[in-house]
Amino acid sequence: ETGVTQTPRHLVMGMTNKKSLKCEQHLGHNAMYWYKQSAKKPLELMFVYSLEERVENNSVPSRFSPECPNSSHLFLHLHTLQPEDSALYLCASSQDWPNYEQYFGPGTRLTVT
Amino acid sequence: GQQVMQIPQYQHVQEGEDFTTYCNSSTTLSNIQWYKQRPGGHPVFLIQLVKSGEVKKQKRLTFQFGEAKKNSSLHITATQTTDVGTYFCAGPVGSNYKLTFGKGTLLTVNP
Repeated sequence: ETGVTQTPRHLVMGMTNKKSLKCEQHLGHNAMYWYKQSAKKPLELMFVYSLEERVENNSVPSRFSPECPNSSHLFLHLHTLQPEDSALYLCASSQDWPNYEQYFGPGTRLTVT
Repeated sequence: GQQVMQIPQYQHVQEGEDFTTYCNSSTTLSNIQWYKQRPGGHPVFLIQLVKSGEVKKQKRLTFQFGEAKKNSSLHITATQTTDVGTYFCAGPVGSNYKLTFGKGTLLTVNP
């Protein structure tokens, strides 16, 4: 499945680093999402973009900053993260928002040291 | 807030046994979606149910949407080791009908 790609697949960063996660969808979808998945928690929706406009921001700390330059690309900029931010970060896309089936990328496994 | 509840949280079965996971909402849902996430993988869309009382089958998997459109179930007949993974239901809840995922049911199968 290559409809939604994410890079990097694995990332280790210190608490003072700045890094970015990238997501690209090749499905012609209008909506894109960032989710956080921790070991013992359900999928946590972080941000939603529909037609490049942010439509959902679920009380996410400001150390996470999303960017959607066009309908095919989504970034998550990270800075001064905490160890508890270590998780699998999943990107997804759907034809439209808010209630369409979602297609997930493989995720970025982030470890904050 | 409004949630989509899923039970059980874990289920371990012997290969060949059946498995069922249940999804419940306090409000009527316009539709329900099911996803599967293999260990180390990402959620993959399985199916969407829209009609009251709808039943859909995919090989050994049977999906049902309740008459009141507040609950749903996924039943696997004669489980195989390839069925291992976490099964999530998701439904649109809240004033903006945002797709909300249940916590998932982790299925393990003993060969």
